[in-house]
Amino acid sequence: AQKVTQAQTEISVVEKEDVTLDCVYETRDTTYYLFWYKQPPSGELVFLIRRNSFDEQNEISGRYSWNFQKSTSSFNFTITASQVVDSAVYFCALSETLGSNYKLTFGKGTLLTVNP
Amino acid sequence: EADIYQTPRYLVIGTGKKITLECSQTMGHDKMYWYQQDPGMELHLIHYSYGVNSTEKGDLSSESTVSRIRTEHFPLTLESARPSHTSQYLCASIDSIYNSPLHFGNGTRLTVT
Repeated sequence: AQKVTQAQTEISVVEKEDVTLDCVYETRDTTYYLFWYKQPPSGELVFLIRRNSFDEQNEISGRYSWNFQKSTSSFNFTITASQVVDSAVYFCALSETLGSNYKLTFGKGTLLTVNP
Repeated sequence: EADIYQTPRYLVIGTGKKITLECSQTMGHDKMYWYQQDPGMELHLIHYSYGVNSTEKGDLSSESTVSRIRTEHFPLTLESARPSHTSQYLCASIDSIYNSPLHFGNGTRLTVT
């Protein structure tokens, strides 16, 4: 069975600090996809990034960066120079494809609070 | 931009009432999902559908039921609401491109008193 572990339940930082959110996954699939979603206080889930299991290149998008390491089954997310608007719950997720069927397994989420 | 809509956004209802949470998408996606989110944040898959007249129970047992009579519509029904059903319910859909991200609606925050 697939599993996603986000060991950090809550993180609190001061604005402009860098912060890394950890994600460790388990799967028996050789082909899989990993995702990060952001859930601001308003409640909707916002897609941030998708990474497939064959692409271990790190990705940077503005202040956001992702580090995928297959050897440690980790897909960590770093926010550089954090801002108050980054305060949200962040979910890491792993896809499972069974034939033409498809499910997403989520971690329990990390609540990030950025204080001014 | 994903077009997936959930109504109502907020619902407060008394114990024993029947309720239906609406979810509609205008993207023609075959696959749709319902997630229940605890106040403690964790997301649980409770129902999914891979097309019209196809529904399956998810990883978390739920007393709710769903139907998929039309591609764009995936309502969730609780026949008799209880306080333990208080939660946020999130609907999602996905297109047929392999491993595309799920598109989520804004959610329905349900409170059963």
